[in-house]
Amino acid sequence: DAGVIQSPRHEVTEMGQEVTLRCKPISGHNSLFWYRQTMMRGLELLIYFNNNVPIDDSGMPEDRFSAKMPNASFSTLKIQPSEPRDSAVYFCASRAQDAEQFFGPGTRLTVL
Amino acid sequence: GNSVTQMEGPVTLSEEAFLTINCTYTATGYPSLFWYVQYPGEGLQLLLKATKADDKGSNKGFEATYRKETTSFHLEKGSVQVSDSAVYFCALSPSNSNSGYALNFGKGTSLLVTP
Repeated sequence: DAGVIQSPRHEVTEMGQEVTLRCKPISGHNSLFWYRQTMMRGLELLIYFNNNVPIDDSGMPEDRFSAKMPNASFSTLKIQPSEPRDSAVYFCASRAQDAEQFFGPGTRLTVL
Repeated sequence: GNSVTQMEGPVTLSEEAFLTINCTYTATGYPSLFWYVQYPGEGLQLLLKATKADDKGSNKGFEATYRKETTSFHLEKGSVQVSDSAVYFCALSPSNSNSGYALNFGKGTSLLVTP
């Protein structure tokens, strides 16, 4: 099994640009989570999906952030427009029912 | 709400020293408790877990016991190695299914083990 796959691994962009982060969960997992990691705030849950349906997006910082899960094998996190304070490492994780979460390697985003 | 508090780092130890990283939690009901480890440039990996009071999770020489009376889940290892250098996160998963089992993380404790 390839594990949770995230792309890109690194993204450098300029303020105001649209950024799309991608995640492929482990096959058979029915829950998917997006986290953000910064030095100041640590690991924060942004949103999670159960069976492709968004359950709780209260962690999404503001309307500039949106996430979709069009099918069981793909999810995106989009930031439009991006700002320097969005610079962070974004992790995707997935889990099967009643099991542990498996994390992807993360996307390091830098907004200049 | 649910929260996890873990000791501030960084922690610097010599090889073969004893390690303790403190973790306490606030939650309703009976959460599951976890320790995750993050090596440089990588995602988080589950190190160990405990799902009910008095359970002891263990893996790779690390141990942690679920103490409901003190709401704690301290991580210990008797003899650390240089390869244990990483950031360690304590986390909890609420006991009610409405949460979707999302994890609440502590801020992480950086461990550096020197030869």
